[in-house]
This record gives sequence, C-alpha cells and structure tokens, in this order.
Amino acid sequence: ETGVTQTPRHLVMGMTNKKSLKCEQHLGHNAMYWYKQSAKKPLELMFVYSLEERVENNSVPSRFSPECPNSSHLFLHLHTLQPEDSALYLCASSQDFGGQFFGPGTRLTVL
Amino acid sequence: AQSVSQHNHHVILSEAASLELGCNYSYGGTVNLFWYVQYPGQHLQLLLKYFSGDPLVKGIKGFEAEFIKSKFSFNLRKPSVQWSDTAEYFCAVRSAGNTGKLIFGQGTTLQVKP
Repeated sequence: ETGVTQTPRHLVMGMTNKKSLKCEQHLGHNAMYWYKQSAKKPLELMFVYSLEERVENNSVPSRFSPECPNSSHLFLHLHTLQPEDSALYLCASSQDFGGQFFGPGTRLTVL
Repeated sequence: AQSVSQHNHHVILSEAASLELGCNYSYGGTVNLFWYVQYPGQHLQLLLKYFSGDPLVKGIKGFEAEFIKSKFSFNLRKPSVQWSDTAEYFCAVRSAGNTGKLIFGQGTTLQVKP
C-alpha cells in the first residue's frame, strides 16, 4: 500500500469502551499527526510526533492517548469518550514538517 | 492566537468561470502557507504551498496562489474551473520553524456546474 492508511474506517463505541485507532504511513516520513474534523468546524490539530517523540499536544483531554512506537505507525487510544467526541479523526505525515499527507480518516461515533 | 479565515463558505460557479477563494490569517511572524483540497469521498490532498521566494506559487491541476504579506492573504485562483474541481478547499497556516502545527480555515465548498 502507498500513502497513509488508517484503520478502522468506521467505529461505533459506547462511552465505557476502550478502542484504538491505527495509522500507518508508507512514505518514509519522520513526522506524524492526529487531527479531529467535526462538522462545521475547522480541522483541529491534536498531536504531533517527530522522530517518535511527541512535540505538540494541543490541549487534548486525557481520554485521548497517542502512541508512536516507530516512525511509520501512530495510534490513538480512546477510553471513556463522550458523545461530543464523535468526529472524523485524520492522521497525517510529513517530512520535516513540510506539506502533510493525509489518510482517509476514521469516522468515530460515540453512543 | 493564530487564526485563518476563509471568506466564502460556499461558492457555485459554471464551468470555465474564473475562481478566486480568499484566505486571510492572523500572525505577525514568518509563516508557511498551504492550500488543501478534499474531493468528494477522498482524502485531503495538498494543492500547493508557500515557504519562501516567489510569492506567486503554482500547484497541481492549474491552481495558483499569491502570498501578499501586507494583506496577510494567500488567495487561491484558477483561471477556468472544471466540473472535476468540485470539492472542499482548505487554507492552512503554520508559523515558520514551528513543530508542524497547522492552523486550518473552516473550508470553502466549491460546486462547479457542468
């Protein structure tokens, strides 16, 4: 596969569940990002990882927990989410904070 | 705080019409600027970017954008749109040298009528 892939593409979870979103980039980039896209709101940056270290945490609640085990993989661990967390979660990657390449996103619904 | 404003939320054009989408940002320092496009059912894709040099940048599919520093603007243009340009367009700004933190505008939906 090429580019940035995300799994699952759709996820429905209850407020007490724990789930994880996975992102994989096949571009050899050294930076990865998580974004949240809600209806009628601008894309919101959540986390930035550079060389597997978190360099940006945009005041995201602790119920979202990122993990970057290597430069190709990025996870977003979810627990005790709220209905207002329902959104499209986008992963992106870039080389040296240049233009970012986005994945297709995971459509999350919290019941 | 940095912010990005896209003036037009929804634009409807006929094929062959000229396009200009406005983007203004608020940040006093050196910036990097981007336009992204999201075609229906597809990923966000980078259209073009400005880092330094010639303020008129050319991107893919005949798009271009002009950085006017005095106006804090980075408007997107295309001389003649096609039906296939129907998409949502996002302007984004990053303070140069920052950790990749992009600030996005709210997006402009472009509908091109055949």
